[in-house]
Amino acid sequence: GAVVSQHPSRVICKSGTSVKIECRSLDFQATTMFWYRQFPKQSLMLMATSNEGSKATYEQGVEKDKFLINHASLTLSTLTVTSAHPEDSSFYICSARTSTYQETQYFGPGTRLLVL
Amino acid sequence: AQKVTQAQTEISVVEKEDVTLDCVYETRDTTYYLFWYKQPPSGELVFLIRRNSFDEQNEISGRYSWNFQKSTSSFNFTITASQVVDSAVYFCALSERNTGGFKTIFGAGTRLFVKA
Repeated sequence: GAVVSQHPSRVICKSGTSVKIECRSLDFQATTMFWYRQFPKQSLMLMATSNEGSKATYEQGVEKDKFLINHASLTLSTLTVTSAHPEDSSFYICSARTSTYQETQYFGPGTRLLVL
Repeated sequence: AQKVTQAQTEISVVEKEDVTLDCVYETRDTTYYLFWYKQPPSGELVFLIRRNSFDEQNEISGRYSWNFQKSTSSFNFTITASQVVDSAVYFCALSERNTGGFKTIFGAGTRLFVKA
């Protein structure tokens, strides 16, 4: 149980275009989802926390207008990287948790974004 | 504030050696959770263990064992008789109650190379 999927697994796009990444909880309802970014050889850095039906909370230094997050249902959250630039190239990982076991997050497999 | 320190950036061992990965954490809360994750080259995080702050019992799972010492704020991870497949980046993480629920932060990670 507690499976989280991400789509796509990897994406290459041109600079200036927007990219949408989906995060789905497959067998549980995720009241909260998290988006992390991981640059090569670095740790996971939390970008934002999204609760179903409300606006996402962004970490300091993360531009909310550039990284649009939508958590419209209990099983789906999306991250849209708008007007992507090469420096946005990274590994994006989502995670989800239930309202019952809030201390534990279930991680998706990640999405590798390469902006040319 | 939460903080997780993994002082060992990289460790290289020969197969069958035992290896210990260190993790030291800082928290002001009395209720918190500690995790270890493995991240192989594919990038997907693999959950290894969760330990709550009230349970100081050490745990063994096959070749893996964990030593939780609240007195030194450490949660070290030992791999016995290491194998090449153990080569990966290992992250220690701390989950602590925050406004809106638990928030998890990751250590910088330790890259383990196991040579045949």
